[in-house]
Amino acid sequence: AQKVTQAQTEISVVEKEDVTLDCVYETRDTTYYLFWYKQPPSGELVFLIRRNSFDEQNEISGRYSWNFQKSTSSFNFTITASQVVDSAVYFCALPGTSGSARQLTFGSGTQLTVLP
Amino acid sequence: DSGVTQTPKHLITATGQRVTLRCSPRSGDLSVYWYQQSLDQGLQFLIQYYNGEERAKGNILERFSAQQFPDLHSELNLSSLELGDSALYFCASSVGARFTTNEKLFFGSGTQLSVL
Repeated sequence: AQKVTQAQTEISVVEKEDVTLDCVYETRDTTYYLFWYKQPPSGELVFLIRRNSFDEQNEISGRYSWNFQKSTSSFNFTITASQVVDSAVYFCALPGTSGSARQLTFGSGTQLTVLP
Repeated sequence: DSGVTQTPKHLITATGQRVTLRCSPRSGDLSVYWYQQSLDQGLQFLIQYYNGEERAKGNILERFSAQQFPDLHSELNLSSLELGDSALYFCASSVGARFTTNEKLFFGSGTQLSVL
């Protein structure tokens, strides 16, 4: 079965610090996708990124970057020069196996607080 | 704005009652998914419909049911409500029934259900 572990329950940083959110996953699939979502205090789930397992290139989008390492089954998310608006719960997610490929298994989330 | 619309935003009801949550998918999306987010269980997949038919079932209680109508909107019916059903219920939509190379899963803003 799919499993996603986000060991960091809460992280607190001061504005402009860099912060990395860890995600470790387990899957038996040889091809899979990984997702990151953001849940701000308003409650909605905001899609951030989707990564394919056959593409191990790191991805950068503005202040956000993702480090995918298949060898360690990790898909970590770094926010550079954090801002107060980055305060949210961040979820890593992995789709189900081929028979249930639309079910996302979510990690327990990391609550990020960015202090001014 | 994800394009997925959920109503109502908040719902307060009493134990034993029945409620209906509504979801309109993004234009062009044929799949609708329901997820439940609670403090003790985290984000859990409930059920998926694709073009009017049930496609996948997750941890959905027998007291809960869903359907997708010809216009592709979906309703999640929760009956004989218990205190433990209090949660944030999300709807998501996507084009196809399974993940493809470039597809993402977009979530609505959720319905906060409080059972008193």
